[in-house]
Amino acid sequence: DIQLTQSPSFLSASVGDRVTITCRASQGINNYLAWYQQKPGKAPKLLIYAASTLQSGVPSRFSGSGSGTEFTLTISSLQPEDFATYFCQQLNSYPLTFGGGTKVEIK
Amino acid sequence: EVQLVESGGGLVQPGGSLRLSCVVSGFTFSDHYMDWVRQAPGKGLEWVGRTRNKENSYTTEYAASVEGRFTISRDDSKNSLFLQMNSLKTEDTAVYFCARVDSNSPAGDYWGQGTLVTVSS
Repeated sequence: DIQLTQSPSFLSASVGDRVTITCRASQGINNYLAWYQQKPGKAPKLLIYAASTLQSGVPSRFSGSGSGTEFTLTISSLQPEDFATYFCQQLNSYPLTFGGGTKVEIK
Repeated sequence: EVQLVESGGGLVQPGGSLRLSCVVSGFTFSDHYMDWVRQAPGKGLEWVGRTRNKENSYTTEYAASVEGRFTISRDDSKNSLFLQMNSLKTEDTAVYFCARVDSNSPAGDYWGQGTLVTVSS
């Protein structure tokens, strides 16, 4: 199975900060990576797929990059509604797997 | 408007069975692959399994943790997805989400609100 390691697992940031989250795969997954945002008690929301393609309706302050085994999610200017937990998911091979999550909290 | 609504969760004893349903609307269900994903209390997301569409013979994939115990099925005539869970274990306690798989990428683009399954004696 492909393991995904997210870092950091927790980060504290302020409104307006630039935030970067990393997701490393245990083997190459081409660009078959998605990023989700989840708020407490809610379903995950798809932000980015194919490593860098922004899902329709998602603000442009979110961006994704990477290929192979290393990927990043960047929020260019953190907004109050962005405080949440973020997960990566590899879609390259079965079983599909998620990273452990990164919780973004208010500093 | 795309909607997915799960139901069927509840309290079940270890070794028991439960069948979850996910009724969808607002899109052509038969065209899409569908996923089940779960989240144990306070934990991360775990992919449970996937069913492909009719064009791909409704074939399924499962996580190792549920293979042989869980079965995903669908009824396209009723816009419904199912998860039959047998031989339940305490570690299966989680909120179970159904998700539509995006036609342009294999990611889940629409999700239900989830249904809680508690396995406990």
